[in-house]
Amino acid sequence: AQKVTQTQTSISVVEKTTVTMDCVYETRDSSYFLFWYKQTASGEIVFLIRQDSYKKENATVGHYSLNFQKPKSSIGLIITATQIEDSAVYFCAMREGRNNYAQGLTFGLGTRVSVFP
Amino acid sequence: DPKIIQKPKYLVAVTGSEKILICEQYLGHNAMYWYRQSAKKPLEFMFSYSYQKLMDNQTASSRFQPQSSKKNHLDLQITALKPDDSATYFCASSQDPPEQYFGPGTRLTVL
Repeated sequence: AQKVTQTQTSISVVEKTTVTMDCVYETRDSSYFLFWYKQTASGEIVFLIRQDSYKKENATVGHYSLNFQKPKSSIGLIITATQIEDSAVYFCAMREGRNNYAQGLTFGLGTRVSVFP
Repeated sequence: DPKIIQKPKYLVAVTGSEKILICEQYLGHNAMYWYRQSAKKPLEFMFSYSYQKLMDNQTASSRFQPQSSKKNHLDLQITALKPDDSATYFCASSQDPPEQYFGPGTRLTVL
């Protein structure tokens, strides 16, 4: 069975600095997708970035980037030049199988990030 | 304009009653999902549908029944409501690439 673990409950950072949060996953599948989402204070869940297991390059979108360490089953999220609006709960999620269409995601418990001026 | 609509935003029900949560997506996606988020628990996947067919069911209770009248609709009927059913229910959709996009949620409170 797949499992996603986020051990950091909360992180506080100063605006304009970099924040890194960890996520480890368990899967028996050789092919899978990893995602990061954020949930804002209003409850909205927003997709941020995806890593495909078969790709060696770390994904980057805007000021979000990933640190994919496949041998360690680890997918860290890095947010550079943080802004107050980046304050949210960040969730790591996984979906097994490249061809498993319409399969649900398995989520971690989330990491609350607070960005202060 | 919102791409995924969930109705209602808030819902209060009494124990033992039945409610229907509505979801419509206008992203042109073929797959739709329901998730539940309750306090101190991760987002839990419940169901997935594609072209109005059930693809995956991770909900043990038959009290939860998805209903799809159109490709872009996936409602969730909950019967014999219990206080433990209190949670925020999120609808999501996806196509290819596989990332799922979430609706604003329906917050259900069962008294």
